[in-house]
Amino acid sequence: NAGVTQTPKFQVLKTGQSMTLQCAQDMNHEYMSWYRQDPGMGLRLIHYSVGAGITDQGEVPNGYNVSRSTTEDFPLRLLSAAPSQTSVYFCASTRGGNLNTEAFFGQGTRLTVV
Amino acid sequence: DAKTTQPPSMDCAEGRAANLPCNHSTISGNEYVYWYRQIHSQGPQYIIHGLKNNETNEMASLIITEDRKSSTLILPHATLRDTAVYYCIVRVRNQGGKLIFGQGTELSVKP
Repeated sequence: NAGVTQTPKFQVLKTGQSMTLQCAQDMNHEYMSWYRQDPGMGLRLIHYSVGAGITDQGEVPNGYNVSRSTTEDFPLRLLSAAPSQTSVYFCASTRGGNLNTEAFFGQGTRLTVV
Repeated sequence: DAKTTQPPSMDCAEGRAANLPCNHSTISGNEYVYWYRQIHSQGPQYIIHGLKNNETNEMASLIITEDRKSSTLILPHATLRDTAVYYCIVRVRNQGGKLIFGQGTELSVKP
């Protein structure tokens, strides 16, 4: 199993451009989420999904959109990139809402907005 | 949301036990303590988790105090490859069971 796969690994955008960060998992996990990590800090939750067709906001949702049309995929969209969105983005998945199961993380997408 | 406090950095000699402390004094009764580590800004790697009992797996041991306000991650025989940032995390029920990360402890294992 591949686990959680994120693409691309690196991306440079100009201010105002749009792009989609891809996340796919092959573990049939219900829950998926997006975090961002800024220098010297832990991860912060952007958006999450508890199943196909269901999404909700996390701690820092502004400037990002998500959708969940399938169990496997959970893309993160930046509609108009800003320098403040320069960060490393991690996607995670977990098997349902049981807090007694670990989250699996992808390897991250390093985004720079110039 | 419950928050965690960890020392920013620690050193450990190779082959010795590494004991990483964490305070989570505002944790609620149904919230779990998780430990992850991150090597060179790669994706966080799961280590261990627990609710109130001590836990052990092939990677580490987790000791949770009886009042659940603090915990210690123990790497029994640290190797150079254990050099990483270690995050003590509280997993809460809201927002899809989100993980609340703190600043982490940068562990340096030295020969």
